Amino acid sequence: GENVEQHPSTLSVQEGDSAVIKCTYSDSASNYFPWYKQELGKRPQLIIDIRSNVGEKKDQRIAVTLNKTAKHFSLHITETQPEDSAVYFCAANFGNEKLTFGTGTRLTIIP
Amino acid sequence: NAGVTQTPKFQVLKTGQSMTLQCAQDMNHEYMSWYRQDPGMGLRLIHYSVGAGITDQGEVPNGYNVSRSTTEDFPLRLLSAAPSQTSVYFCASSYGQGLGEAFFGQGTRLTVV
Repeated sequence: GENVEQHPSTLSVQEGDSAVIKCTYSDSASNYFPWYKQELGKRPQLIIDIRSNVGEKKDQRIAVTLNKTAKHFSLHITETQPEDSAVYFCAANFGNEKLTFGTGTRLTIIP
Repeated sequence: NAGVTQTPKFQVLKTGQSMTLQCAQDMNHEYMSWYRQDPGMGLRLIHYSVGAGITDQGEVPNGYNVSRSTTEDFPLRLLSAAPSQTSVYFCASSYGQGLGEAFFGQGTRLTVV
């Protein structure tokens, strides 16, 4: 079925260190993998996305890597800052019309 | 340009009551969707629409109805509210068939007692 698994569910890192969140998906035909950030009490917002024709994408301190063979993708945040504290969701498409989200990772940056 | 607007922001219903959550977008997006967010379960797709007059079921459609009479509006109806429908509901819209940035509304926190 359509499944996206996300780990870990909670993650605490010291300010300035790196954070990595991993997701696996079930459908080998998936070709779109976005990451969303949700601050407390706010709506989810896209922070980065990747399509299956590339293996890595970077945007300043954020990067996403994709391994299609293993069907997993990861979010990397370097030089973490207090404002990075939030819940992060990965997602993958199933067909052209459905986006399935992971269960989320609560990231806490320790000052 | 308001983006995606959801109303109400908070709602308390009694079991068995019905209500409609409103969602409107002004970005001329064809694709709109409804999600529910529960602790530890992420965002689960309820219903979606790829354009006016077209709707389809997502992962958890039972107990909910939708319609899409215009490009702008995509209301979600709870026919007979149950405590299991206590959740935070998000409406989202995106360009094209949903494989692009999804813009979310501010959410509706619904409690069914």
